[in-house]
Amino acid sequence: EDKVVQSPLSLVVHEGDTVTLNCSYEVTNFRSLLWYKQEKKAPTFLFMLTSSGIEKKSGRLSSILDKKELFSILNITATQTGDSAVYLCAEETSGSRLTFGEGTQLTVNP
Amino acid sequence: NAGVTQTPKFQVLKTGQSMTLQCAQDMNHEYMSWYRQDPGMGLRLIHYSVGAGITDQGEVPNGYNVSRSTTEDFPLRLLSAAPSQTSVYFCASRNDRGAGEQYFGPGTRLTVT
Repeated sequence: EDKVVQSPLSLVVHEGDTVTLNCSYEVTNFRSLLWYKQEKKAPTFLFMLTSSGIEKKSGRLSSILDKKELFSILNITATQTGDSAVYLCAEETSGSRLTFGEGTQLTVNP
Repeated sequence: NAGVTQTPKFQVLKTGQSMTLQCAQDMNHEYMSWYRQDPGMGLRLIHYSVGAGITDQGEVPNGYNVSRSTTEDFPLRLLSAAPSQTSVYFCASRNDRGAGEQYFGPGTRLTVT
């Protein structure tokens, strides 16, 4: 099983701060890297990344993949209290299997 | 579309009891999977199915059975519940035509005493 490691495991910031969440993965049978947001219920999809160096952006959130160094980052600018959640990254391998990291617990204080 | 539905939302079992967690999707997705989520462990794949009649084991399959007789339904059976199976269980589905968004059900919180 490929391993997915996220860091930091938890992060506390103030509203308006910019945060960077990290995700490293192993390369066996890689198909894509996905990011999810989880707020005390089912995870919701944020991004899917398949190509190196191409930034995906949605509002204040953006993500990029580095297939040479086997990592991805998720950036959140001008954080708001509503961004408080667990952020999960997952590696998709052949056979459409997803392997999830432990998640990063982000807390944004007013 | 209802998306992915799971029942029950909550369940308490005694050690040794068996039960079935139900999962259904109305999006005609071929690929369905079951995950469990424990504190500090992320989501771990239990079993998955790439189509009706086809199932395979994930990362943590022991103690669980699945079957896929229709495209819509993918029940998860606990054969003899153990306290170690106390967890939140998520069912998910996706279209198998390449990588893309996986849709999760609302989850079932299971406690085994």
